[in-house]
Amino acid sequence: AQTVTQSQPEMSVQEAETVTLSCTYDTSESDYYLFWYKQPPSRQMILVIRQEAYKQQNATENRFSVNFQKAAKSFSLKISDSQLGDAAMYFCAYRSQNTGGFKTIFGAGTRLFVKA
Amino acid sequence: GAGVSQTPSNKVTEKGKYVELRCDPISGHTALYWYRQSLGQGPEFLIYFQGTGAADDSGLPNDRFFAVRPEGSVSTLKIQRTERGDSAVYLCASSQDRDSPLHFGNGTRLTVT
Repeated sequence: AQTVTQSQPEMSVQEAETVTLSCTYDTSESDYYLFWYKQPPSRQMILVIRQEAYKQQNATENRFSVNFQKAAKSFSLKISDSQLGDAAMYFCAYRSQNTGGFKTIFGAGTRLFVKA
Repeated sequence: GAGVSQTPSNKVTEKGKYVELRCDPISGHTALYWYRQSLGQGPEFLIYFQGTGAADDSGLPNDRFFAVRPEGSVSTLKIQRTERGDSAVYLCASSQDRDSPLHFGNGTRLTVT
């Protein structure tokens, strides 16, 4: 079974600085998607960034980028120029691309604090 | 609608009662998922619908939990004989197809007293 591990329960960053959130996963599959979701206090999960495992190039969305290391099964999220609105829970998630891979499996999350 | 809608946003019930939680997905999204999120944890998969049928219900914790999606749109998660351990936020998500990212609702916070 696939698992997703986020080893940092909490992280803190100064406004305008850069922070990296860690994620590792375990799978025997070669085709899958990886995601980072943000969950503010409103509870709604919002997709931050998505990576297809077959793509070697790291995904980027504005201030958000990932460092995808397939061999190491590592998928970290870098937030540049942090803003107060970035404060939230961040969840790393995995989904298989194989037939029957309907589930998206989430890590336990990292709470990000942004200091003014 | 513009997004996934879940009602009620909060539900308080007594132990042993029956509850229904409703999810209205984004129009045209064929895939619908229910997740449960306990305090301080990530969402835990419960059930997945493709159209009207439950394609994977392996995450339902026991037979007190049941979900339907009779017309392939709105879904209802039903919990019988609620227990205090059922207290959590129940999240619904939909996607255009199984390869597309999930779009989540705001969840229903269920409290069993």
